[in-house]
Amino acid sequence: QQQVKQSPQSLIVQKGGISIINCAYENTAFDYFPWYQQFPGKGPALLIAIRPDVSEKKEGRFTISFNKSAKQFSLHIMDSQPGDSATYFCAARSFGSYIPTFGRGTSLIVHP
Amino acid sequence: GAGVSQSPSNKVTEKGKDVELRCDPISGHTALYWYRQRLGQGLEFLIYFQGNSAPDKSGLPSDRFSAERTGESVSTLTIQRTQQEDSAVYLCASSLTGTGNTIYFGEGSWLTVV
Repeated sequence: QQQVKQSPQSLIVQKGGISIINCAYENTAFDYFPWYQQFPGKGPALLIAIRPDVSEKKEGRFTISFNKSAKQFSLHIMDSQPGDSATYFCAARSFGSYIPTFGRGTSLIVHP
Repeated sequence: GAGVSQSPSNKVTEKGKDVELRCDPISGHTALYWYRQRLGQGLEFLIYFQGNSAPDKSGLPSDRFSAERTGESVSTLTIQRTQQEDSAVYLCASSLTGTGNTIYFGEGSWLTVV
C-alpha cells in the first residue's frame, strides 16, 4: 500500500481559530479521500470525504481542500471549538481497492 | 446491534500467553476489517474479510497473528505467544460493501502485554 503522509503530528489552536491538517500521497490511483475523527477511548468515525473531481468540499465548519496536481489534501476546521479536540486521520483508497491507507494522525487540542 | 461491538475492551496478559479478541460487526455488513493502533501511531491494517471470499491477510505482522470470521458475522483475532510489542489497541471495523467508502469502527480492544 502506498503511504499517506500527514502533518503536523500535533496541533494546538485557540478557540475560534482555524485548524489546518495536511496530507500528501504518491499513488495517483487514489480516488477517495476520507477524514476520520477519533476521541479518546473511541474508535475513529468518518468526518468528511472528497473525491478528486472537486477541489473543495464543505460540511459545516469542516472543509476539505484537494489539490490533484500537487497530490495533497487538507482539512480545515473553522472557528475551532474545545469539543473538536481529538485525533484526526486522513486516508486514501484507490478505485477497486477495499482497504484504505491511513495517515499517522494529528492530535488536535483546542484551548478555550 | 447499533454499532460495531468489540470485547474485551481491556485485556492484560502475560508475555507468552495467547489472547483472543472478538468483533461483532454491524448487522448486514459484509466487509470486516481489523486494524492495530499503537500508542501515538496511525492505523495499521491487519486483515480484511469480505463475504465468503478468502480473507486478505497481507497486513498480519507475523504467523502468531490469525483471524477467523463465521459467515458474515462475528470475527475473532487471535494472537499466540504474545510479546510486549503486541501491546496496542486492536480496532475492528465493518462496512456495508467491500468498497471501503464508509467504514464504521468499534471502540477497540486495548491489549497490554506484561
